[in-house]
Amino acid sequence: QQPVQSPQAVILREGEDAVINCSSSKALYSVHWYRQKHGEAPVFLMILLKGGEQKGHEKISASFNEKKQQSSLYLTASQLSYSGTYFCGTEGLTGGGNKLTFGTGTQLKVEL
Amino acid sequence: GAGVSQSPSNKVTEKGKDVELRCDPISGHTALYWYRQRLGQGLEFLIYFQGNSAPDKSGLPSDRFSAERTGESVSTLTIQRTQQEDSAVYLCASSDRLAGNTGELFFGEGSRLTVL
Repeated sequence: QQPVQSPQAVILREGEDAVINCSSSKALYSVHWYRQKHGEAPVFLMILLKGGEQKGHEKISASFNEKKQQSSLYLTASQLSYSGTYFCGTEGLTGGGNKLTFGTGTQLKVEL
Repeated sequence: GAGVSQSPSNKVTEKGKDVELRCDPISGHTALYWYRQRLGQGLEFLIYFQGNSAPDKSGLPSDRFSAERTGESVSTLTIQRTQQEDSAVYLCASSDRLAGNTGELFFGEGSRLTVL
């Protein structure tokens, strides 16, 4: 089952912060985050493997609440280069094996 | 190779023709995925290969779609009797699921299919 992302789109001024949420209806083994720029392939940002885990990548970090089956991606002090579509991908604990299913994406645009 | 390689990068075909898309994963990667991405849309799971296990074909939209993988190397996605709704970018990704590795996906640049 496809995870649900929110918001669908967000526009930021450079330097502003944003949060992108990802929720699943099934118990999760892991959550992946990827960014895709227009006309390019998705690029890996980070993976969260344990409940409550929080990871960081430059000014981009994420949390994973295993109990709520939710993950959030935090973008702080956004830069123009952060523009793109962000996808969360989830792997379930049972059924479906290790297949990675992606959410519908969140379009982020950072403006001057 | 250094990365995931897909061919062709662009394919224009007529409705009703068969097409074959190829993916060459990163050497040693045991897992291989195919996704479909329609214009402005998300990544739609098609099929997943993991080592010698039976593939997970649960995402294939119809019996016109099939995929094969030779061992842990090249995969081909075949679409028979193409329809206009098959027009999309087909992305292949591979990952290393061995213990100690995170399983991050490395994507190819995709094969853009246009069905006229």
